[in-house]
Amino acid sequence: SAVISQKPSRDICQRGTSLTIQCQVDSQVTMMFWYRQQPGQSLTLIATANQGSEATYESGFVIDKFPISRPNLTFSTLTVSNMSPEDSSIYLCSVDLPGDRNEQFFGPGTRLTVL
Amino acid sequence: GQNIDQPTEMTATEGAIVQINCTYQTSGFNGLFWYQQHAGEAPTFLSYNVLDGLEEKGRFSSFLSRSKGYSYLLLKELQMKDSASYLCAAMDSNYQLIWGAGTKLIIKP
Repeated sequence: SAVISQKPSRDICQRGTSLTIQCQVDSQVTMMFWYRQQPGQSLTLIATANQGSEATYESGFVIDKFPISRPNLTFSTLTVSNMSPEDSSIYLCSVDLPGDRNEQFFGPGTRLTVL
Repeated sequence: GQNIDQPTEMTATEGAIVQINCTYQTSGFNGLFWYQQHAGEAPTFLSYNVLDGLEEKGRFSSFLSRSKGYSYLLLKELQMKDSASYLCAAMDSNYQLIWGAGTKLIIKP
């Protein structure tokens, strides 16, 4: 298994500002994922972050809006830029541990409210 | 396109059994996952099926039929703490998870 922490756990931000969310894992992992979950909705994958390469973004998400860093095998950040109320959501990071189950482990999430 | 269907909400009684169904359509298939998510918390892994059949783990069991693109999660001896959303996710040929919208399970005394 993996233990994943996220900072901050929650924040209230003003429109037009940016917030950087940190994700720390207790073991080295190749792939880290950033998801968004809006109230009452399922998970939407924003991007996949591999160490040493550019993040791969899903349709509807762009690097200028959601820049991602992956400086090493245990850490990643997601920035939500130029925020609007539509960005209010829970942001989750997850990791995929090697093995035959392809199980993903999730961090506790960051609850973001944009006013 | 890729799609996951599961009921939006189900209600069951404490001590009873409930079955949550999931149908999927994906480009390739590398397994079917069930996750539990309590309100305000992150999803936690429950089960993984890649071969046809039933996997039992305590009070929870998960079934897969690859030919039918169908899975179910069976919860026995329901407890109040089982009230949560249950997310079905299928892994496609690129090892990417395609998520269902989740089934909110309400347990009544």
